[in-house]
Amino acid sequence: QKEVEQNSGPLSVPEGAIASLNCTYSDRGSQSFFWYRQYSGKSPELIMSIYSNGDKEDGRFTAQLNKASQYVSLLIRDSQPSDSATYLCAAYSGGYQKVTFGIGTKLQVIP
Amino acid sequence: SQTIHQWPATLVQPVGSPLSLECTVEGTSNPNLYWYRQAAGRGLQLLFYSVGIGQISSEVPQNLSASRPQDRQFILSSKKLLLSDSGFYLCAWSVGQGYYSPLHFGNGTRLTVT
Repeated sequence: QKEVEQNSGPLSVPEGAIASLNCTYSDRGSQSFFWYRQYSGKSPELIMSIYSNGDKEDGRFTAQLNKASQYVSLLIRDSQPSDSATYLCAAYSGGYQKVTFGIGTKLQVIP
Repeated sequence: SQTIHQWPATLVQPVGSPLSLECTVEGTSNPNLYWYRQAAGRGLQLLFYSVGIGQISSEVPQNLSASRPQDRQFILSSKKLLLSDSGFYLCAWSVGQGYYSPLHFGNGTRLTVT
């Protein structure tokens, strides 16, 4: 069974620090990886996509992918209280766009 | 730009009552459509997906069903709700079959079965 594993947290970081969120996946055939942000009571919002090994930066967010280690991470620089949310990692392994989600890591940014 | 509409936002229904949740997508043709459920403190569970009108794939056996009567309309139904059907229901869309297309979610429906 294809799995995406995340630590549920909460991960607490002080305002202005770097938050590091991690994710591992079981299916070596996974091709695409996504990070979603979900505020309490709201739906998931796509914040980053990554498809090849290495880093991808978008503003304060950096996604990192290591397919050999089956590891995906999301770094949030200069963390703000508004970044406090649950971050979902997702992996796509082929077929008709079936995506497997992790349970999410709850991030708390302390002012 | 593409938008997805999902309604109602919240719903409280008694056990044994029927259910109908609707989702429509604007600004794209032939989207892939999905229904997910998120139970409290748990991850997203794929319920159904559809790659075209009238084509529905079910991921888990349950008392729910889905239909796609039009290209950009996706409906989730139940004839008799169970307590275990409570949760946050999310409709999502994507395009194509390639691995570059992420899912985009609607605002969700919070269903409480009493």
